[in-house]
Amino acid sequence: GAVVSQHPSWVICKSGTSVKIECRSLDFQATTMFWYRQFPKQSLMLMATSNEGSKATYEQGVEKDKFLINHASLTLSTLTVTSAHPEDSSFYICSAVQETNTEAFFGQGTRLTVV
Amino acid sequence: QKEVEQNSGPLSVPEGAIASLNCTYSDRGSQSFFWYRQYSGKSPELIMFIYSNGDKEDGRFTAQLNKASQYVSLLIRDSQPSDSATYLCAVNIEGYKLSFGAGTTVTVRA
Repeated sequence: GAVVSQHPSWVICKSGTSVKIECRSLDFQATTMFWYRQFPKQSLMLMATSNEGSKATYEQGVEKDKFLINHASLTLSTLTVTSAHPEDSSFYICSAVQETNTEAFFGQGTRLTVV
Repeated sequence: QKEVEQNSGPLSVPEGAIASLNCTYSDRGSQSFFWYRQYSGKSPELIMFIYSNGDKEDGRFTAQLNKASQYVSLLIRDSQPSDSATYLCAVNIEGYKLSFGAGTTVTVRA
C-alpha cells in the first residue's frame, strides 16, 4: 500500500522558534496533501490544502503567516510553524492523495511540544 | 467545515459483543464516507469507506449508510480487546479533504 512518511515524529522546541515538519509520499506522486491538527481529546481539524506548485489554501481561522506550507514537488510538502508558542503544541498530521485520486493516505503524525 | 456528529461515548462493551457507532452529517450533498480507527498517540487508519446506501461488510466490520437520513454507522462484531480505540467518522468534502467527527472511544472489556 501507499506510504506517507512524516518527519520528525516528535519535536520539542522553545517558544519563539520555528519548526519545520515534512510530509513525503514514498511510493506515489501526490498532487494534493492536507494538513490537520489534533489537540488532546479532540478530533482532527483541517488546517490547509497543499497543492504542488501553487499556494496552499487555508481553512478559516488558520493563520497563513504562522503556518507556512510549501509543496515544492509531487512527493513533498512541508509545514513550518513560525514563532511557535505553547498553544501551538499539538499533533500535526498530513495526508496525501494519489494522482488517481482513490484514497487519502495519512502520515504517522508529528507531536509538537513548545516549551 | 461541514458538520459531522458522532455519538459521544465512551462506549464500553464486553469481549465478543457488538459495538455500534453512529454518525450524522449536515451536508446532504456529501457522497463518500469513511471510518477510521485511531489508537492513542497514533495517526488514523482507514477501516472502511462507503459510497452507496445500504450495508457494506468487511470481516467483522459493517458500515451502513442512509443518505436520506444523513446517517452513517459502523458495527463491530465479535469485539476484541484490540478493537479498543477511538473511532472517527469522516465525510469527504472534496478530493479527499475530510471533515472528521469528534470520535467515539471504544473499550472492549476482556
